[in-house]
Amino acid sequence: QQQVKQSPQSLIVQKGGIPIINCAYENTAFDYFPWYQQFPGKGPALLIAIRPDVSEKKEGRFTISFNKSAKQFSLHIMDSQPGDSATYFCAASKRGYNKLIFGAGTRLAVHP
Amino acid sequence: DTEVTQTPKHLVMGMTNKKSLKCEQHMGHRAMYWYKQKAKKPPELMFVYSYEKLSINESVPSRFSPECPNSSLLNLHLHALQPEDSALYLCASSPFQDQPQHFGDGTRLSIL
Repeated sequence: QQQVKQSPQSLIVQKGGIPIINCAYENTAFDYFPWYQQFPGKGPALLIAIRPDVSEKKEGRFTISFNKSAKQFSLHIMDSQPGDSATYFCAASKRGYNKLIFGAGTRLAVHP
Repeated sequence: DTEVTQTPKHLVMGMTNKKSLKCEQHMGHRAMYWYKQKAKKPPELMFVYSYEKLSINESVPSRFSPECPNSSLLNLHLHALQPEDSALYLCASSPFQDQPQHFGDGTRLSIL
């Protein structure tokens, strides 16, 4: 119940494409869902986050879609660029409990 | 550049050595975290400090000893480590518990 399942494990798109990364969870007590972007040799950087009271959130080219009934959320990257090539982690946590449960990660490659 | 600073960036040590990792943040955050990340895996939580007090210990072996001397500093003391402890050690901070976590770039630790 504590797991967050992330797919796909790796993803290759052409520049300008819209990669979509999906995550699913079981624990209905989760109420905070961030996405992190990690480049080689760097720490994870908080990209965007959502709480269950909204179904979609956009920040620049990054969009989170959230489906509470299906217990799924996804990251869409609009007009993807080679500089977006990185590993993306979804995560979840419960209110009042500061432990992030991470998905396994998705390695994204955006080809020119 | 991240606002969570970790030193050193790289550390090589023998199994009998004692060393310390250091993390510093000046954002006024009151929660600080240690994570361990193996290659191609997500970060795994080790310890959480809230208001300079240890609030979560994820059953980490005693050869890892955290310390929070003040609200801006977090140390991880290492002693008698094993080769399987080789990993990237990440520090993170958040304003309070249940708030977005911001990561440093980590210390790459190699145990000979």
